[in-house]
Amino acid sequence: NAGVTQTPKFRVLKTGQSMTLLCAQDMNHEYMYWYRQDPGMGLRLIHYSVGEGTTAKGEVPDGYNVSRLKKQNFLLGLESAAPSQTSVYFCASSDGDWNTGELFFGEGSRLTVL
Amino acid sequence: AQKVTQAQTEISVVEKEDVTLDCVYETRDTTYYLFWYKQPPSGELVFLIRRNSFDEQNEISGRYSWNFQKSTSSFNFTITASQVVDSAVYFCALIFMNTGFQKLVFGTGTRLLVSP
Repeated sequence: NAGVTQTPKFRVLKTGQSMTLLCAQDMNHEYMYWYRQDPGMGLRLIHYSVGEGTTAKGEVPDGYNVSRLKKQNFLLGLESAAPSQTSVYFCASSDGDWNTGELFFGEGSRLTVL
Repeated sequence: AQKVTQAQTEISVVEKEDVTLDCVYETRDTTYYLFWYKQPPSGELVFLIRRNSFDEQNEISGRYSWNFQKSTSSFNFTITASQVVDSAVYFCALIFMNTGFQKLVFGTGTRLLVSP
């Protein structure tokens, strides 16, 4: 059982380039999230999805777009990368039953924008 | 405002010492869940515990224990007889249930360094 898988794990971009991070989960979870982690700032929510075909903005959505065309996949796009987007990105998923469930995280994707 | 505060940025202890990581939260919701996650140097996020707002019982799991106090809006985490393998960043998180979509809000984390 793979859980939550993120690709790529590492990427270096030049300012202005675009890229897409892919998150895939095999737990049939409805909810998926993209967080970014920066030193001293914890994890901040970028965008999230409550189901296939839905997306919504989190705390820090500017400069990012997302899509959830299939239930198992949640894509995070950077149309024109900026140095401020250098970060570690985590995807997570949940079934939404917080009595028994939790947020399952991918291993993270380290992005550097030069 | 709904937020989670981990005032301790970094804590250093010597192996076998006990250490408490503080977590204070703010919410107007009556129903919420609190979590602790561990992030070891390898970088993954590991779930440690979940507690709902209606259950104030403290919990112990081996060397780990958690103290939830609604009166002070705190959910503190204690490691007894710390070990080098406990070195990690620990995050407290909160999910609010009354106000629309449920999303986990994280504190800024506490880095724990346990030296031999």
